[in-house]
Amino acid sequence: GAVVSQHPSWVICKSGTSVKIECRSLDFQATTMFWYRQFPKQSLMLMATSNEGSKATYEQGVEKDKFLINHASLTLSTLTVTSAHPEDSSFYICSAVRGHNSPLHFGNGTRLTVT
Amino acid sequence: KNEVEQSPQNLTAQEGEFITINCSYSVGISALHWLQQHPGGGIVSLFMLSSGKKKHGRLIATINIQEKHSSLHITASHPRDSAVYICAVDGSGNTGKLIFGQGTTLQVKP
Repeated sequence: GAVVSQHPSWVICKSGTSVKIECRSLDFQATTMFWYRQFPKQSLMLMATSNEGSKATYEQGVEKDKFLINHASLTLSTLTVTSAHPEDSSFYICSAVRGHNSPLHFGNGTRLTVT
Repeated sequence: KNEVEQSPQNLTAQEGEFITINCSYSVGISALHWLQQHPGGGIVSLFMLSSGKKKHGRLIATINIQEKHSSLHITASHPRDSAVYICAVDGSGNTGKLIFGQGTTLQVKP
């Protein structure tokens, strides 16, 4: 089956630093990738939609200058949390689709802790 | 009111029991997804459906478009089925942009 690899699986960083999270589709070309965040005991919240070669589309309330998304190829999207603060601590997860009418394939998520 | 509502929020069952999780939505959709999130956080896509019924092993998903309702059934439940089950709808023409329910936490006891 289709595999999406997300790295790192967990990261601890200090306030003010930046953290990059990678999402790779290992065996298919993903036309679109999605980034979500999930707080404890809550469901996923879509942060942004990322299409290869174009700017990401951010959901309302998500700061695009804080959460930088780059989708440089059909198999890789990155999310960079810039100038991280403790309130950015969360579980971040990506998903990828081959195209329309395709099921989503999720990464295993990244648990970010900002101290 | 959320656009996607699941019930129950929490469910405890004994091994072997038949389980039903319900999902109601209030928006027009092109597809509905059932997802399984394991305790470690990883998410697996169980079903993507736009009409009727789908079956995969012990799992069955049904959808009634007119009533805007879907159910996920687990037959002969097993402790390894313990997870959070999430209903999500795609109202964007099957682009994959989903609206998520709050999830149902299932615990199956041996």
